[in-house]
Amino acid sequence: QVQLVQSEAEVKKPGGSVKVSCKASGDTLTSYPIHWVRLAPGQRPEWIGWINAGNGNTRYSHNFRGRVTFIMDTRASTAYMELTRLQSDDTAVYFCARERYMFRGARRGNWFDPWGQGTLVSVSS
Amino acid sequence: QSLLTQPPSVSGAPRQRVVISCSGSTSNIGRYGVAWYQVLPGKAPKLLIYFDNLLPSGVSDRFSGSKSDSSASLVISGLQSEDEADYYCAAWDDRLDAWLFGGGTKLTVL
Repeated sequence: QVQLVQSEAEVKKPGGSVKVSCKASGDTLTSYPIHWVRLAPGQRPEWIGWINAGNGNTRYSHNFRGRVTFIMDTRASTAYMELTRLQSDDTAVYFCARERYMFRGARRGNWFDPWGQGTLVSVSS
Repeated sequence: QSLLTQPPSVSGAPRQRVVISCSGSTSNIGRYGVAWYQVLPGKAPKLLIYFDNLLPSGVSDRFSGSKSDSSASLVISGLQSEDEADYYCAAWDDRLDAWLFGGGTKLTVL
């Protein structure tokens, strides 16, 4: 059973960048897309985007486009998210999660399972 | 407007049943399966229900889900104190080309 283990908490200054890692064990990352989601205090979870671990294709949320980059190291079974131009409202716990999906007739259902344990990114001057 | 709307809070006594609703639109719940997640403080989200009403292996059958048109519901039966958590619905939205999460519902077990 795949487990996703993320890097430790980070403290960054406004304007800086952060790189969070997500390492898979028990399965390869190439099997399913890896998504990134953040959860800020008092906010709903916010989807950042995904990377197709098999071919490296990416899709970023409009809210983060131009500021975020996803990278895959398939040999190390590790996905990375780099977020630049950090501001205080980027303070949140960042999660990676594996996407699964299935079809019922023409209707598609997707879900995230498992999730990494989360990485707290604090942005403060 | 593409949003998933949940009640901010629900409560119930032990052994009672509560229902958490999630209202969406045709561009999300109407066309795509809904998933439900439980978030405990300091923990990663845990998948409770996928594709509207399917129970993942290892999740208690006290949790169940349903969908009607562009709305979905999570039912928690036989409430236990350990169920106190935040619950979120989620679905893909093809108008926004993005994943949406509900605003979250805080469950209090009285």
